[in-house]
Amino acid sequence: DVKVTQSSRYLVKRTGEKVFLECVQDMDHENMFWYRQDPGLGLRLIYFSYDVKMKEKGDIPEGYSVSREKKERFSLILESASTNQTSMYLCASSSQGVYGYTFGSGTRLTVV
Amino acid sequence: KQEVTQIPAALSVPEGENLVLNCSFTDSAIYNLQWFRQDPGKGLTSLLLIQSSQREQTSGRLNASLDKSSGRSTLYIAASQPGDSATYLCAVREYNFNKFYFGSGTKLNVKP
Repeated sequence: DVKVTQSSRYLVKRTGEKVFLECVQDMDHENMFWYRQDPGLGLRLIYFSYDVKMKEKGDIPEGYSVSREKKERFSLILESASTNQTSMYLCASSSQGVYGYTFGSGTRLTVV
Repeated sequence: KQEVTQIPAALSVPEGENLVLNCSFTDSAIYNLQWFRQDPGKGLTSLLLIQSSQREQTSGRLNASLDKSSGRSTLYIAASQPGDSATYLCAVREYNFNKFYFGSGTKLNVKP
């Protein structure tokens, strides 16, 4: 089974902190994605990457950055966490072409 | 831009009933369509993936159909059980991009 592992299930951080969310996949997928999910707003794409060191902005990239130094790892960075970044963060990966998504179990981030 | 709509937003049925969840999309130029299940506070679990050349896919009590020309997919759940209670999301993958577009989900409650 393909596995996408997010390093933390729950995280509490203070306003202004730099926050790292880590995602690792074990199936050599080219594409990796970060979403946030909020009640009433659904899933919104923050950033995605289709190759090592490559990144593309999604629909809501403001306040976030990403890093992909190795194919299996995609990190989401909140440079200076704010309370409006309290959310569920979901990582996903996929191969090129006709394959589907595999999601991680999510990280519930609370910024206080 | 592709838009994905799921109707109804919420559904409550008695145990044992057969039910249909609907997903519609505006642009028929898709690679595939994927149905997911999400339990509260958890990540997304893939249920079925239908390629654009396929008409349907089955897994146990679940059957998903795809009518690309009309921009519709349905997820049929036979003999529903309380354990089926969750939010069901559909997502489409377009030809030209590596990202998926998600519907806002149908929240299903199966009453014992």
